[in-house]
Amino acid sequence: DSGVTQTPKHLITATGQRVTLRCSPRSGDLSVYWYQQSLDQGLQFLIQYYNGEERAKGNILERFSAQQFPDLHSELNLSSLELGDSALYFCASSVDPDQPQHFGDGTRLSIL
Amino acid sequence: KNEVEQSPQNLTAQEGEFITINCSYSVGISALHWLQQHPGGGIVSLFMLSSGKKKHGRLIATINIQEKHSSLHITASHPRDSAVYICAGTWVRETSGSRLTFGEGTQLTVNP
Repeated sequence: DSGVTQTPKHLITATGQRVTLRCSPRSGDLSVYWYQQSLDQGLQFLIQYYNGEERAKGNILERFSAQQFPDLHSELNLSSLELGDSALYFCASSVDPDQPQHFGDGTRLSIL
Repeated sequence: KNEVEQSPQNLTAQEGEFITINCSYSVGISALHWLQQHPGGGIVSLFMLSSGKKKHGRLIATINIQEKHSSLHITASHPRDSAVYICAGTWVRETSGSRLTFGEGTQLTVNP
């Protein structure tokens, strides 16, 4: 058990819809990272937050947004969903960017 | 050219064999990670290293900074080692946080 909790585990929705994925980091971890793993693109970094502030952006689409709340949990919002957004979305956390990251079990998003 | 490249893509071994997975990266990483992803999808961080060698049980990770190369070795391999092994580099920037860039992964199958 990594200590990182992601909900929901599975999400099935339709094109055009909006969903919110939630992540609770390990106790004491200030950094939260979001990653997308699709069949054709592998694992890709989306965005990083540190203590409530956005610190780094990767290949995150404009239709996607994220935030980290004062209690350090984070949410990834995906809107105007397309078939290609079907993927596993992972959250990871670390004490700071120079420390190992601990991964949640992921949210499997299926767009029908 | 990807910033992180792994080889081989697929590896099949017999139980008990010594296994090596290789990773090459471009200049500028602050740390190199080895991750393990099981068929269920969960990701476990095995090692994070910036120099030298680390060992955990039957797993050994090494990094050569001059050659920008890392290896993951598994001694006395076992069928339960069957998984995808992913190499990732951390790029840290003071003004833009840190991000992980992933290799494409090595699918390891260990037969009894």
